[in-house]
Amino acid sequence: GAGVSQSPSNKVTEKGKDVELRCDPISGHTALYWYRQSLGQGLEFLIYFQGNSAPDKSGLPSDRFSAERTGGSVSTLTIQRTQQEDSAVYLCASSLGSAREQFFGPGTRLTVL
Amino acid sequence: TQLLEQSPQFLSIQEGENLTVYCNSSSVFSSLQWYRQEPGEGPVLLVTVVTGGEVKKLKRLTFQFGDARKDSSLHITAAQPGDTGLYLCAGELEGGSEKLVFGKGTKLTVNP
Repeated sequence: GAGVSQSPSNKVTEKGKDVELRCDPISGHTALYWYRQSLGQGLEFLIYFQGNSAPDKSGLPSDRFSAERTGGSVSTLTIQRTQQEDSAVYLCASSLGSAREQFFGPGTRLTVL
Repeated sequence: TQLLEQSPQFLSIQEGENLTVYCNSSSVFSSLQWYRQEPGEGPVLLVTVVTGGEVKKLKRLTFQFGDARKDSSLHITAAQPGDTGLYLCAGELEGGSEKLVFGKGTKLTVNP
């Protein structure tokens, strides 16, 4: 693909439900990042995958958040028992390995009612 | 605590005016990036600066990295409506891990 893709583009869910957000990085990019962007805020780092190394999960806000990356490519961010404060745009980015040259997807806008 | 402070948060100007956006920190960065984000899209990288005092130009945009690598500025000359968007600075902390720290952004509106 030409760029990073994310699905769905919009997700509306009810409080307490689980959601899965998907990211397809640029082919060949070894590094993959997830960020959260709330209204009026900058990008908040969530998790970072680099090749086969253990992911850096230091940005995950609670144990309701988890992510996996299968086969070094597609990644899924899962939020369990969603809360209203989880409402935000979730952005995925990939790079060839350097944090400096990240290419972002269009994001998934999550709304928790 | 916000590691990168951007100012101003909002800026509304008329076409043809000049403007400067600032990104400041008390921390040292090994590199600093500027991104532009439009509604419904992800941020797009504009420039990366890595050397203290470095100045880079991209058409009407001029980016500067502070001598001490703690701050940066983005100057736009003769702004156009197409420059409208959210400008984000992001940096790699010196000695830090492979992550970027982002500022909160400057929302720029250029009115025709």
